[in-house]
Amino acid sequence: QVQLVQSGAEVKKPGASVKVSCKASGYPFTSFYIHWVRQAPGQGLEWMGVINPGGGATPYAHKFQDRLAITMDTSTSTFYMELSSLRPEDTAVYYCARSPSGGYDYWGQGTLVTVSS
Amino acid sequence: EIVLTQSPGTLSLSPGERATLSCRASQSIDSTYLAWYQQKPGQAPRLLIYGTPRRATGIPDRFSASGSGTDFTLTISRLEPEDFAVYYCQQYGSSPWTFGQGAKVEIK
Repeated sequence: QVQLVQSGAEVKKPGASVKVSCKASGYPFTSFYIHWVRQAPGQGLEWMGVINPGGGATPYAHKFQDRLAITMDTSTSTFYMELSSLRPEDTAVYYCARSPSGGYDYWGQGTLVTVSS
Repeated sequence: EIVLTQSPGTLSLSPGERATLSCRASQSIDSTYLAWYQQKPGQAPRLLIYGTPRRATGIPDRFSASGSGTDFTLTISRLEPEDFAVYYCQQYGSSPWTFGQGAKVEIK
């Protein structure tokens, strides 16, 4: 069955970077775009960016343009989201999600990233 | 950026009642690129509707969606106990993909 399994919770200091992984299984790795979405405590969903495993452009939300990198390792069917220059307001649950023809049909379980001094 | 505004923010209803949630876009959207999600505490969102009005796999037919242009609606015909949750609309026709702020359906 389709699974997106994310790495565990992280605690980081302001100014540091975090790299969250999302391992895909149960479907052809290169067939579906993977998006990253975050949710601050008690808040709504915020789209961060997307990667096309088949190659091509990988748009990011403008607010993250300078400090976000979404990458992948085809040998391990794993996607990565790295956010740098962390601030306390980056504290959130970060999700990877698969996008077929529309919407996100499968989601990772979420990774809590806490930014605190 | 397309801003999605959901209303009402909270809907207080009883099981068996009908829920109607609104999602208004700041500019016209092709309904093909409008989705709805349900989220319960501590869980990832679940896709309900995509390419309005298509139901995702396994979603019961008490969930339906409609709309065009800037006004979209999610309807739950008869609320079941498991339907009390937060609902989000999302547009994915124009980058950046954006979500509404969410609407909570709570037990009255």
